[in-house]
Amino acid sequence: QSALTQPASVSGSPGQSITISCTGTSSDVGGYNYVSWYQQHPGKAPKLMIYEVSNRPSGVSNRFSGSKSGNTASLTISGLQAEDEADYYCSSYTSSSPWVFGGGTKLTVL
Amino acid sequence: QLQLQESGSGLVKPSQTLSLTCAVSGGSISSGGYSWSWIRQPPGKGLEWIGYIYHSGSTYYNPSLKSRVTISVDRSKNQFSLKLSSVTAADTAVYYCASRTVTTAFDIWGQGTMVTVSS
Repeated sequence: QSALTQPASVSGSPGQSITISCTGTSSDVGGYNYVSWYQQHPGKAPKLMIYEVSNRPSGVSNRFSGSKSGNTASLTISGLQAEDEADYYCSSYTSSSPWVFGGGTKLTVL
Repeated sequence: QLQLQESGSGLVKPSQTLSLTCAVSGGSISSGGYSWSWIRQPPGKGLEWIGYIYHSGSTYYNPSLKSRVTISVDRSKNQFSLKLSSVTAADTAVYYCASRTVTTAFDIWGQGTMVTVSS
């Protein structure tokens, strides 16, 4: 099972909004609403930020939002803050694996 | 609040079996609807799902690792374990245990434990 495709890096200035894409196929992202997003700071364990495409777990800021169109899911962070600088990973249920992760995106806050 | 803690050997020789345990605290490993996973991350690389076990005992493994992986539960100790056989340097990674509890995603993670495969 190939990893989902994410951009290697994105950047933005404090206060701006950024979007990270996660592209899969009809066998994973496009076929199920089980897309999730994780934030990982250096040396730390990943933290769940979004589940089932657009749901936020309790305690996660509403500056984080998720969406999906076809085979591509997206994570948007609005009102960018310095503490948002981290690696972000998407994940999806698949018809074969059954779980697969994206390659990860490094977010830099300028 | 459910918490997970990995433990096990940090150094494994090539061709041997990697063994890790994840202790569950703040809740029961027998809780209905929960699943218990292992996920790994090679140095400087992304996450790879290894497999999981349901509260019922059913297991699901990543097809690329299936022939070498065994995940099991010890209900008496409230913990679950990972065994990965015939390891090579490519298995060097931080290994995380994680669970799906109140959501359909991996909502609780352990801190991770580094395992190096080297002679």
